[in-house]
Amino acid sequence: DAEITQSPRHKITETGRQVTLACHQTWNHNNMFWYRQDLGHGLRLIHYSYGVQDTNKGEVSDGYSVSRSNTEDLPLTLESAASSQTSVYFCASSESRVSPLHFGNGTRLTVT
Amino acid sequence: GENVEQHPSTLSVQEGDSAVIKCTYSDSASNYFPWYKQELGKGPQLIIDIRSNVGEKKDQRIAVTLNKTAKHFSLHITETQPEDSAVYFCAARGSNDYKLSFGAGTTVTVRA
Repeated sequence: DAEITQSPRHKITETGRQVTLACHQTWNHNNMFWYRQDLGHGLRLIHYSYGVQDTNKGEVSDGYSVSRSNTEDLPLTLESAASSQTSVYFCASSESRVSPLHFGNGTRLTVT
Repeated sequence: GENVEQHPSTLSVQEGDSAVIKCTYSDSASNYFPWYKQELGKGPQLIIDIRSNVGEKKDQRIAVTLNKTAKHFSLHITETQPEDSAVYFCAARGSNDYKLSFGAGTTVTVRA
């Protein structure tokens, strides 16, 4: 079965370190998204991509970057981790811009 | 951009009773309204969605209603069961940028 996997599931890092969260999907979807989930805020869009070499900023993109070198992967990088980036991060993909999103099971990131 | 508000933030119901969650949106151009269920430790999963050309949609014990004039939509769960306990998110997608904006979530607890 096609799926979307995130790794690691849990990560603890120190302020100022660079961190990369992985997202891999086997749906062969063109569209991929990164959200963060915080209590009281729901899911907020960080970055998204509509295809290889395409990346776009979402509503909370400061301090984050993504790259899309193939269809299957959209890694999320925190250039210099801050305590405000402690959160649960979800990757999602969709077949088209008007299709439903399929989510991974998330990465819980703690920045100390 | 789109602003989605969701109420209540928590909801406790007796098993067998109904649960209703309400959302409002700000962008009159939004045309797609999905609902996601998130169980503990998992990513959100689509449970039902509705498009702006439809007023109501049902799938077994769940239904969604849409009032485009008032810009609000609701999720109805009838004959609730313990496995309905989860966090539920509403979302809205604009017809211009195709991005989903999420509500803050509702934690539903079904009491046995």
